[in-house]
Amino acid sequence: SQQGEEDPQALSIQEGENATMNCSYKTSINNLQWYRQNSGRGLVHLILIRSNEREKHSGRLRVTLDTSKKSSSLLITASRAADTASYFCAMHTGGFKTIFGAGTRLFVKA
Amino acid sequence: SAVISQKPSRDICQRGTSLTIQCQVDSQVTMMFWYRQQPGQSLTLIATANQGSEATYESGFVIDKFPISRPNLTFSTLTVSNMSPEDSSIYLCSARQGESSYGYTFGSGTRLTVV
Repeated sequence: SQQGEEDPQALSIQEGENATMNCSYKTSINNLQWYRQNSGRGLVHLILIRSNEREKHSGRLRVTLDTSKKSSSLLITASRAADTASYFCAMHTGGFKTIFGAGTRLFVKA
Repeated sequence: SAVISQKPSRDICQRGTSLTIQCQVDSQVTMMFWYRQQPGQSLTLIATANQGSEATYESGFVIDKFPISRPNLTFSTLTVSNMSPEDSSIYLCSARQGESSYGYTFGSGTRLTVV
């Protein structure tokens, strides 16, 4: 499959809890990106982590990358109802292509 | 980063007709990309659009079905031709600036329903 794998497919949590989403891929990457998509709209770029980085933070977001396991995780801390969205990892493998994961649907209950 | 205006945001079309989707970028970008997202699915790359040359299509997508124009560095169109209900999807354009591999900017998407 062209896509990366993401789990869980869907996640439902209470406001204030942390949400963790995982992404695995098959090929070597230059960088890995995470995007958010609200209600079938356009994607919003959240964070990019390069292949030589292991962890990156941006506000309430924490991304880790383990190139030996070909996996990444996105942690959203202290979640809010407004975080309800689909989250996609995207692998940049060189050249001009970016391969998207299958996505995790996050629902944060107020 | 670049801002992309995509239109229409949604449309309902009769089978057999064609729809052209437009993306306008507020700055010059070297690469533009067109994706399809079927309901509840991830994004699948349709083609890469370079200014001044023909688009490069991914496996399973052909120019006759999805003709693309890229007349300059700020604009691109995707036409979905001879539509069938199976073409009902969200179509998204995306852009990358320069040679950087930083995150891509996306248009807001076009939700197409073919009846």
